Amino acid sequence: DQQVKQNSPSLSVQEGRISILNCDYTNSMFDYFLWYKKYPAEGPTFLISISSIKDKNEDGRFTVFLNKSAKHLSLHIVPSQPGDSAVYFCAARSLYSGGGADGLTFGKGTHLIIQP
Amino acid sequence: GAGVSQTPSNKVTEKGKYVELRCDPISGHTALYWYRQSLGQGPEFLIYFQGTGAADDSGLPNDRFFAVRPEGSVSTLKIQRTERGDSAVYLCASSEGLAGDEQFFGPGTRLTVL
Repeated sequence: DQQVKQNSPSLSVQEGRISILNCDYTNSMFDYFLWYKKYPAEGPTFLISISSIKDKNEDGRFTVFLNKSAKHLSLHIVPSQPGDSAVYFCAARSLYSGGGADGLTFGKGTHLIIQP
Repeated sequence: GAGVSQTPSNKVTEKGKYVELRCDPISGHTALYWYRQSLGQGPEFLIYFQGTGAADDSGLPNDRFFAVRPEGSVSTLKIQRTERGDSAVYLCASSEGLAGDEQFFGPGTRLTVL
């Protein structure tokens, strides 16, 4: 039973254009969401996060949008650069509802390929 | 400052054998996590330590899996009687230990059970 779903295994985007990666979740207790980026043979690295009290968080070229009623979030990368080619994982936790520092629940990931 | 390190980077073993995977967290981080990433999947939570104690081991798949962190720093994940289905990348992460702190991941240990 996947509580965090990334339904696109891969996404190809032209350099300079916007990349939009999507994520859906089913667990209503999740209140904090994160995006991680992973290169081959490396561990995931934190990219950006958002808490359920917000609907948008921006950090440079990266923006995460949260739609709580739809249990949906998306990561926008603009403009896309060749170095953005990686696997992107959506993750969630129950931070404010007692989860504290507990482990994260990850989606399966989306492989983003930036075409020159 | 060094990041999270994991040894070995690769481990090949035979079905039925015992293996130990080691994680060195970032110095001073009190929280330590183990995850398992199977092919085509995202990381799956196994166990979380706060200091020396396992605060949540609900992700361990069965009693063949065990982890320790005796001095609150280095952790060892132990797998007894390995099965082919245990083949995966085992990831370790650490954080400062407060709720919401960023988890920093190591490069993982790729375990292959033949």
